[in-house]
Amino acid sequence: KNEVEQSPQNLTAQEGEFITINCSYSVGISALHWLQQHPGGGIVSLFMLSSGKKKHGRLIATINIQEKHSSLHITASHPRDSAVYICAVVYNNNDMRFGAGTRLTVKP
Amino acid sequence: GAGVSQSPSNKVTEKGKDVELRCDPISGHTALYWYRQSLGQGLEFLIYFQGNSAPDKSGLPSDRFSAERTGGSVSTLTIQRTQQEDSAVYLCASSPSGLSSYEQYFGPGTRLTVT
Repeated sequence: KNEVEQSPQNLTAQEGEFITINCSYSVGISALHWLQQHPGGGIVSLFMLSSGKKKHGRLIATINIQEKHSSLHITASHPRDSAVYICAVVYNNNDMRFGAGTRLTVKP
Repeated sequence: GAGVSQSPSNKVTEKGKDVELRCDPISGHTALYWYRQSLGQGLEFLIYFQGNSAPDKSGLPSDRFSAERTGGSVSTLTIQRTQQEDSAVYLCASSPSGLSSYEQYFGPGTRLTVT
């Protein structure tokens, strides 16, 4: 069982739809990262969160430390948002664990 | 400015040979990370450097793997006596400070194929 659970594994949406990707973890962490991996393999760091909420453009990330849960939201989705979205948690001992990723496809 | 660079971009080696992978972080970034992504698999954390020191090497898959960082800049990941299961994309990332402080900047990766 993965220590970091992401859902859904795969998600297909129509352009313009609001998208939510979820990440749950089992023990206390010091931080959580959301990453985007493009079809060509390149990885971009979207957010690093230790509490609350962050927003960059159409992307919003939230974290609830008590519930050990984070969400990544994409508003007004676009085909260029198609990618794999990965959640990663950082433990207090500087160990890091990754979710299996959510493959998002946005159709025009 | 320049991003994180890795070399080589591709490496094909025979089983049993040693390989050395290089990472040049963004200038001024004190934290450097190595990850591995096997074909069709998720990301795996290998090791983290703060400056030249790695607080915890337990993420390295076996004692055939070693990593060093000198001068607070370039890092090398060395795999001795490569095995077919070592085939993967090895990714490096850097950040201004540690894992819980800043977002990371990823390099393009080195694709290693062990035949």
